[in-house]
Amino acid sequence: GAVVSQHPSWVICKSGTSVKIECRSLDFQATTMFWYRQFPKQSLMLMATSNEGSKATYEQGVEKDKFLINHASLTLSTLTVTSAHPEDSSFYICSAPGQALNTEAFFGQGTRLTVV
Amino acid sequence: GNSVTQMEGPVTLSEEAFLTINCTYTATGYPSLFWYVQYPGEGLQLLLKATKADDKGSNKGFEATYRKETTSFHLEKGSVQVSDSAVYFCALSSPDKLIFGTGTRLQVFP
Repeated sequence: GAVVSQHPSWVICKSGTSVKIECRSLDFQATTMFWYRQFPKQSLMLMATSNEGSKATYEQGVEKDKFLINHASLTLSTLTVTSAHPEDSSFYICSAPGQALNTEAFFGQGTRLTVV
Repeated sequence: GNSVTQMEGPVTLSEEAFLTINCTYTATGYPSLFWYVQYPGEGLQLLLKATKADDKGSNKGFEATYRKETTSFHLEKGSVQVSDSAVYFCALSSPDKLIFGTGTRLQVFP
């Protein structure tokens, strides 16, 4: 199946700094990628949809200026958590949709962000 | 709108017990249905899927049947192992993104 690689797998940063998370599709092109945040009780929240060549689409309640998303190429999407605070600590996961409608999505390994 | 409801966990079982994790959905049209599994510290992996009514998805001893009449896609396994301990997510296609349930944690003890 298709492979999505997410990097880093974990990161610890100080409050006020920014952190960039990369999501790459390794063997296919992804014009769209999804970014999720997973809370401690395991539920997945869709944060935004990144679109190659255009602005990301954010879900209601997600701060655009805090969670910057860039889809630089057909194989790379990045999420930057700006001016991170401890409450931003979470597990972030990216995914790329299947090549046709109603097919499965492919997920990255996830990034554990801890802000101290 | 489209939504997925799955049973809350955790589900705690002894090895070799029978597993059922319930999942029901609300959707317009004809979505595909999926079960994903998440092992500790990892992303999600597709476990199985079904693309139309009455289809049965199966993998690694797990099964789920797409039941349109009851709008359900319950996950079952006849004999669980300790290595099956993970979080299981039910999802439907909508149609270019997935709608997830809240996840059910399964804990299997020897």
